[in-house]
Amino acid sequence: QSVLTQPPSVSGAPGQRVTISCTGSSSNIGAGYDVHWYQQVPGTAPKLLIFGHTNRPSGVPDRFSGSTSGTSASLAITGLQAEDEAEYFCQSYDISLSGWKVFGGGTKVTVL
Amino acid sequence: QVYLQESGPGLVKPSETLSLTCTVSGGSISSYYWTWIRQSPGKALEWIGYIQYRGSTNYSPSLQSRVTISVDMSKSQFSLRLASVTAADTAIYYCARAGDFYYGLDVWGQGTTVTVSS
Repeated sequence: QSVLTQPPSVSGAPGQRVTISCTGSSSNIGAGYDVHWYQQVPGTAPKLLIFGHTNRPSGVPDRFSGSTSGTSASLAITGLQAEDEAEYFCQSYDISLSGWKVFGGGTKVTVL
Repeated sequence: QVYLQESGPGLVKPSETLSLTCTVSGGSISSYYWTWIRQSPGKALEWIGYIQYRGSTNYSPSLQSRVTISVDMSKSQFSLRLASVTAADTAIYYCARAGDFYYGLDVWGQGTTVTVSS
């Protein structure tokens, strides 16, 4: 059971907007710790998609955006494309685990 | 462009020690947090621990008693040792880099599969 809760799957048609939630608590996201998002295409290593809640590394398309409010964070993908089909993980820090770094359970995005 | 490459045995016997090395190329091993993460089949990512270039370490509370991470600056490598392995330690092991403690992991190795079996 992950400290950060994500829906197992979301889906959308090409061009649509999908959002992935990452629900935490007052000991992690709610405590103000940064949230990062990773994209993992099957058979490959995860790739940093969003860092520090809302920032995109160089090369990440602007159709990916992140936000955080209270004890939850969200990743939005607008203008969904076939190449966005992948697993997405959120990551933050948890003070109840001695300042440990925690991941969400992952969300599989399917492009219909 | 910084590249990370994991290396080590793909098969380890139960109760033995898993040993992996991550080689850093294309950049300096200084000034970063070098991390090990694993992913069990079909499961989420799990933080194992990190070592700062100065040598300070931080390990997952659930693995702390069995984990050692070390760095060899002269070879631009950092290593993972996980003792007393069981089948539950079967996973893909990734090495990765973070710019600071609270930064995201911006560079990842391709991962190496380790199976624990007799």
